[in-house]
Amino acid sequence: DTGVSQDPRHKITKRGQNVTFRCDPISEHNRLYWYRQTLGQGPEFLTYFQNEAQLEKSRLLSDRFSAERPKGSFSTLEIQRTEQGDSAMYLCASTKTESMNTEAFFGQGTRLTVV
Amino acid sequence: KQEVTQIPAALSVPEGENLVLNCSFTDSAIYNLQWFRQDPGKGLTSLLLIQSSQREQTSGRLNASLDKSSGRSTLYIAASQPGDSATYLCAVRLLSSGSARQLTFGSGTQLTVLP
Repeated sequence: DTGVSQDPRHKITKRGQNVTFRCDPISEHNRLYWYRQTLGQGPEFLTYFQNEAQLEKSRLLSDRFSAERPKGSFSTLEIQRTEQGDSAMYLCASTKTESMNTEAFFGQGTRLTVV
Repeated sequence: KQEVTQIPAALSVPEGENLVLNCSFTDSAIYNLQWFRQDPGKGLTSLLLIQSSQREQTSGRLNASLDKSSGRSTLYIAASQPGDSATYLCAVRLLSSGSARQLTFGSGTQLTVLP
């Protein structure tokens, strides 16, 4: 399978714990995005990487959130001191280049439940 | 700020019917528009991408149209099947969204096709 891969698919954690998610984009894609989706809503943008550089962050990305993309390959999203409000689906997407026919491809997501 | 609205929020139709899903957006300066399908608890599958210079795109039983001036897109599904049951999401990429050109999503239309 050469699509976007996310791990784990599901994560249940206690409030206050730290969690880390991983995303492996399509291999030739240099642009990588993280989105968060809550129940009944569309995904909302969190952050964007071009190669290894994190170029944009949304206001949704509080200080407890950090993302990395070492060597411009896979990316990790860490949430520290999780809160119940962090419960959501975290989606990763990648694109190859930036043009009008740029199509975003998404992974299967990581469903986070904070109890 | 770009807002994307999808109406209706939910739709139930008998198998075999043709149907139209609607998407409207407030900022017509878009780069492109993408329609996605999302099955329960899963990630997003790209269905169609329409560049800002295009009026429509077709893939199999799906046809998406774009009217930038009125800020509208429609997704037409012909001869619906129970396997089409899913949430359909519309997303736009703005010209003015910085280097990220992230997607802004609607909340989706939940489609149920009854056998």
